[in-house]
Amino acid sequence: RKEVEQDPGPFNVPEGATVAFNCTYSNSASQSFFWYRQDCRKEPKLLMSVYSSGNEDGRFTAQLNRASQYISLLIRDSKLSDSATYLCVVTESLNVMTTDSWGKLQFGAGTQVVVTP
Amino acid sequence: NAGVTQTPKFQVLKTGQSMTLQCAQDMNHEYMSWYRQDPGMGLRLIHYSVGAGITDQGEVPNGYNVSRSTTEDFPLRLLSAAPSQTSVYFCASSYESLSWNTEAFFGQGTRLTVV
Repeated sequence: RKEVEQDPGPFNVPEGATVAFNCTYSNSASQSFFWYRQDCRKEPKLLMSVYSSGNEDGRFTAQLNRASQYISLLIRDSKLSDSATYLCVVTESLNVMTTDSWGKLQFGAGTQVVVTP
Repeated sequence: NAGVTQTPKFQVLKTGQSMTLQCAQDMNHEYMSWYRQDPGMGLRLIHYSVGAGITDQGEVPNGYNVSRSTTEDFPLRLLSAAPSQTSVYFCASSYESLSWNTEAFFGQGTRLTVV
């Protein structure tokens, strides 16, 4: 079983509509959660961190559900430029006295979003 | 502001050849790592480093070597290329390891084909 799982999509979204998708993670010890965006044939870039209480960044809203071990991303008023693959990233903080937890970013395979005119 | 620079962007190798993928960052980040990205698999960690002189294996280290002689550079060596190493390779760096808001910065990627 993959540690981080995402629906690969594609999610075809009319411009101006809302789209939401989830990411599930298997390790209950996971501490940090992020959404990265990856454009076709480009490098991933941080979209937003996911806070325990949920957070918004403009048209983007991220939620964390620790009990069910998933995070979600909602995009409102979709723009053509939102077309991309969204990667769910989870990290573990195994021991605050060590420095090896950063090396263990776990990536989902990504959810593709296609916004159409 | 260069960020993370990877070279080359594209490479074709014959089975059995060796090569080095270069990665350099100018942000004085302590933490660097190499990932490979394959269709449907997500990014998988190959090797990582928490500072100069310190490296460790990730999820898929076989067939790859790394070294970290300086803070800036983290080259990835393919010892004897195999078709299974055909992939897109990303180098990433980050300033901190334990901050839960840490952002990883990625290079532009190297598309490697082994024939």
